[in-house]
Amino acid sequence: QSALNQPASVSGSPGQSITISCTGSSIDVGAYNYVSWYQQHPGKAPKFIIYDVTNRPSGVSNRFSGSKSGNTVSLTISGLRAEDEAVYYCSSFTSVTNPEFGGGTKVTVL
Amino acid sequence: QVYLQESGPGLVKPSETLFLTCNVSGYSISSRYYWGWIRQSPGRGLEWLGTVSHGGNTYYRPSLKSRVTMLRDTSKNHFSLRLSSVTAADTGTYYCVRDSGVRDFDLWGRGTLVTVSS
Repeated sequence: QSALNQPASVSGSPGQSITISCTGSSIDVGAYNYVSWYQQHPGKAPKFIIYDVTNRPSGVSNRFSGSKSGNTVSLTISGLRAEDEAVYYCSSFTSVTNPEFGGGTKVTVL
Repeated sequence: QVYLQESGPGLVKPSETLFLTCNVSGYSISSRYYWGWIRQSPGRGLEWLGTVSHGGNTYYRPSLKSRVTMLRDTSKNHFSLRLSSVTAADTGTYYCVRDSGVRDFDLWGRGTLVTVSS
């Protein structure tokens, strides 16, 4: 049972923008800006796509962006493409158990 | 290019000890960064297990602290995970990762599936 809550699935058509939310609490997302996002394709290891809420690692498309409001962080994928179909996980540093992950959101490109 | 590669047994018996090693190429584990283990299973999702710093300090998931040990061998440039008294709940894919400081994980190994079964 994840401490960070994500919707099970989000879908969109090619070219559209979608947003995935990740809701935590005052001991994790609300307290720290150490939130990261990962993309996982079937059978592959997760890939690091956002860190410190809003920053993109080198080589990650600028179609991926992050934001935060209170205890909720969000990942937005703009200009949705077929290759964006994957499961996305948020992660936050916490004051209790160190890093925790959300349960994952499956993105479907219609 | 930095690569991480897990190795270890794919099958472990209940109550025994799981031992996995992560070989790192392209970067010295004693230079900078932290190095950790994350596992993934259908029931538990992604779960951070522990991290060892470039200086050898260790950080463990509180619920596993009594069963987990992380070691590093700088001469071989690898680090390892030891998980004792395993049960079926420890079945999953184990990933070794590069960690920026017990907070985010920028590089991942391909993962190794470990099954706990008699």
